[in-house]
Amino acid sequence: DVKVTQSSRYLVKRTGEKVFLECVQDMDHENMFWYRQDPGLGLRLIYFSYDVKMKEKGDIPEGYSVSREKKERFSLILESASTNQTSMYLCASSRGDRTREQYFGPGTRLTVT
Amino acid sequence: GQNIDQPTEMTATEGAIVQINCTYQTSGFNGLFWYQQHAGEAPTFLSYNVLDGLEEKGRFSSFLSRSKGYSYLLLKELQMKDSASYLCAVRDRDSNYQLIWGAGTKLIIKP
Repeated sequence: DVKVTQSSRYLVKRTGEKVFLECVQDMDHENMFWYRQDPGLGLRLIYFSYDVKMKEKGDIPEGYSVSREKKERFSLILESASTNQTSMYLCASSRGDRTREQYFGPGTRLTVT
Repeated sequence: GQNIDQPTEMTATEGAIVQINCTYQTSGFNGLFWYQQHAGEAPTFLSYNVLDGLEEKGRFSSFLSRSKGYSYLLLKELQMKDSASYLCAVRDRDSNYQLIWGAGTKLIIKP
């Protein structure tokens, strides 16, 4: 079974803090994604990566950065957390073939106060 | 522009059949996915359609009409555990093959 894990289920941070969210997948998937999920909205893509050290902006990259130094790990960084970044953050991975489904981690619920 | 529409919430009775609709407008359609998401959990893959017609997988079936920009997910013999949100997502060639997601349909099953 594909397993995607995220470093925390719940996080509470203060405005202005730098926040790191970690995601690890164990199926040697080429593609990894970071989404945020907010009530009443579809999942919105923040960043994605097709390969180690490769990254592409999604629909809402402002205020975020990412790092992919190893194939299995994709990190999302909030440079200076703000209250409007309070959300559920979901990491996903998929095989290189773009027809493949994405496998999701359990999510990190981040609250910025 | 790109748009995915699904009903916000639906209610059905245990043992019955329910159809969840999804309509989409994208410039470069390249496949449609359905995911299930239980409250507080990760979305899990249910089905994928790229050609017109019906795909059946046990109690769940998914239908696609590309000319109408329309899909539905059909759930038969509903069980209480089917209470979840159902997410429709369209892959778009013109968005670097990324998924465009609907807001999801919350399905409530009553005994």
